[in-house]
Amino acid sequence: DAGITQSPRHKVTETGTPVTLRCHQTENHRYMYWYRQDPGHGLRLIHYSYGVKDTDKGEVSDGYSVSRSKTEDFLLTLESATSSQTSVYFCAIKQGGPNQPQHFGDGTRLSIL
Amino acid sequence: SQQGEEDPQALSIQEGENATMNCSYKTSINNLQWYRQNSGRGLVHLILIRSNEREKHSGRLRVTLDTSKKSSSLLITASRAADTASYFCATDEVVGSSGTYKYIFGTGTRLKVLA
Repeated sequence: DAGITQSPRHKVTETGTPVTLRCHQTENHRYMYWYRQDPGHGLRLIHYSYGVKDTDKGEVSDGYSVSRSKTEDFLLTLESATSSQTSVYFCAIKQGGPNQPQHFGDGTRLSIL
Repeated sequence: SQQGEEDPQALSIQEGENATMNCSYKTSINNLQWYRQNSGRGLVHLILIRSNEREKHSGRLRVTLDTSKKSSSLLITASRAADTASYFCATDEVVGSSGTYKYIFGTGTRLKVLA
C-alpha cells in the first residue's frame, strides 16, 4: 500500500466545533486531494494541493479550508462543523504527470452531532 | 462538470461467473481509471486506460474504452468471493493554471459475489 496515513480514523464531535483532519504521506508525491464520500454521491472533491502552500478548491469546498506547509502533510479543517459535514473523508495522493493513478488513505469517519 | 456514472448500481453473481460493469462520462478525457473499494477501506487503483487505447488487461480484469460513445466497461472473469466490493470509474480533468489533474468519480457499482 502507498504510504498514506489519515488521522484520526474516527471522530465524533458537536455542531459548531472546529475539526482538523490530517493526511500524511511518505511517498513525496506532488499532488494531494481531500474527498468526502456520501451515499448516492460517490466521491466529491473538497480541496486539492499541487505543491507546498499551493492549494485550490474542489466542487464542495464551502465550509472547509486546507493547508499544506510541508510536502508530506495536507490538513483539512472544518472551521465550525455542521451536521451536513458528517461523512467519510478520504485523502489521496498522486505523482506528477497525466497518466498516474491516485492512491488513497483508509479514510476518516466523522460524525457531527 | 463531467461525471462517470456506473451501471448497474448493484450486481449479485455466483462465484465463478463473470461480472461486467459499465461507466459513462460526459467530456473528453486523457484517461479513465477503475478503482475498487472494500467495505470500510479506501479506494484501490485497479487499472488505467488511456484515451488512445481500446482495451487493456490485468490478470482477471479486462477494461474497454469507447471514446466515441464516452463509455467504458470493466469485466471481472471467474469472480471470487473476495471480489465483493464497490467499483468506481474515474475520469480526469485538468484544472486551473496549475495544470493539476483532478478526477471525477462516479457513484459506483456494488458487486456481491456469492460463494
